[in-house]
Amino acid sequence: QQQVKQSPQSLIVQKGGISIINCAYENTAFDYFPWYQQFPGKGPALLIAIRPDVSEKKEGRFTISFNKSAKQFSLHIMDSQPGDSATYFCAATGTGGFKTIFGAGTRLFVKA
Amino acid sequence: DTAVSQTPKYLVTQMGNDKSIKCEQNLGHDTMYWYKQDSKKFLKIMFSYNNKELIINETVPNRFSPKSPDKAHLNLHINSLELGDSAVYFCASSRGSGANVLTFGAGSRLTVL
Repeated sequence: QQQVKQSPQSLIVQKGGISIINCAYENTAFDYFPWYQQFPGKGPALLIAIRPDVSEKKEGRFTISFNKSAKQFSLHIMDSQPGDSATYFCAATGTGGFKTIFGAGTRLFVKA
Repeated sequence: DTAVSQTPKYLVTQMGNDKSIKCEQNLGHDTMYWYKQDSKKFLKIMFSYNNKELIINETVPNRFSPKSPDKAHLNLHINSLELGDSAVYFCASSRGSGANVLTFGAGSRLTVL
């Protein structure tokens, strides 16, 4: 019930293409869904986050789509750039002292 | 000025030794965490402290002992190191626990030979 399942494990996209990473959760008590971006040798950093009262959130080239009934959410990176090459983690947490549960990560490589 | 700083960045040591990793945050956050990232990049929470009080203690061997002298510092001491302890250890902090953004340090890579 505490798991967050993330796919794909790795992704190769051409420059200018769309990168899509999917996540699914089980615990309906989760109410905050952040995405973290991690570059080699660095710690994860918040990229974008969504709460389940909205179905979509967009920040620049990054969009989260959220489907509450299916308990799924996804990250779309439009016009992917080589500088986007990193590991992306979806996560889920909630009020009431929940710990943040991370997905297994997706290694994205954007070919120039 | 680094928000969450960890030292050392690299640790190479022999099996059976004891080592410590220190973490400090200057964000004024009241909750701090230790996460372990294995070779497959999986991030797993180990401990969480809120205002110096332990609030999350995952199934971690007793050889790992966190200490929070104040809410800006969280250290991790590991006794009798084993090969399987080799990983990157991340310190993080947040304002409150639960549905909050985590700010991570740059990580401490521990290699046990």
